[in-house]
Amino acid sequence: GAVVSQHPSWVICKSGTSVKIECRSLDFQATTMFWYRQFPKQSLMLMATSNEGSKATYEQGVEKDKFLINHASLTLSTLTVTSAHPEDSSFYICSARDGRAHQPQHFGDGTRLSIL
Amino acid sequence: AQSVSQHNHHVILSEAASLELGCNYSYGGTVNLFWYVQYPGQHLQLLLKYFSGDPLVKGIKGFEAEFIKSKFSFNLRKPSVQWSDTAEYFCAVKASNTGKLIFGQGTTLQVKP
Repeated sequence: GAVVSQHPSWVICKSGTSVKIECRSLDFQATTMFWYRQFPKQSLMLMATSNEGSKATYEQGVEKDKFLINHASLTLSTLTVTSAHPEDSSFYICSARDGRAHQPQHFGDGTRLSIL
Repeated sequence: AQSVSQHNHHVILSEAASLELGCNYSYGGTVNLFWYVQYPGQHLQLLLKYFSGDPLVKGIKGFEAEFIKSKFSFNLRKPSVQWSDTAEYFCAVKASNTGKLIFGQGTTLQVKP
């Protein structure tokens, strides 16, 4: 089946640093990728939708300058948390979908981000 | 606004018991419906999906779900659960007007051997 690889799986860094998370579709071309954030014992909240070659569409309340998304190819999207602070600590999950009709999203394993 | 509600937050069952997890959504237009499962330490996996046609959808591992349009519901069922079904279950809805996948809060299922 379709595989989405997310890297790194866990990152701990100091407040003020920037962190880049990669999301790759390994065996299909992902025309659309999604970034979610999941707080403990809560649901996945969509942060942004990115289509290959175009700017990401952010959900209301998500800071574009804080969470930079790049989807430069059909197999790779990146999320950069800029100048991260402790409140940015969370579980970030990406998903990808190819362009065919009626295709579900395939999810990565997620990245646990801890900001000290 | 589009929303998804899962009624059961934590369900504990014994093996061989029957399972039904509730899912209701709020959106009056055309929807695509999904159930995802997240086993401990693993990523979300698709259990089943409904796009059109027969409202009773069969998925992997013996799961099924029924889309009842009049009730805006898409409940997940399994006649006999196993210990290996212990996981987090998420209902998700994609509205035709936005194309966004909105998730319910999730239900933690614990199956006792």
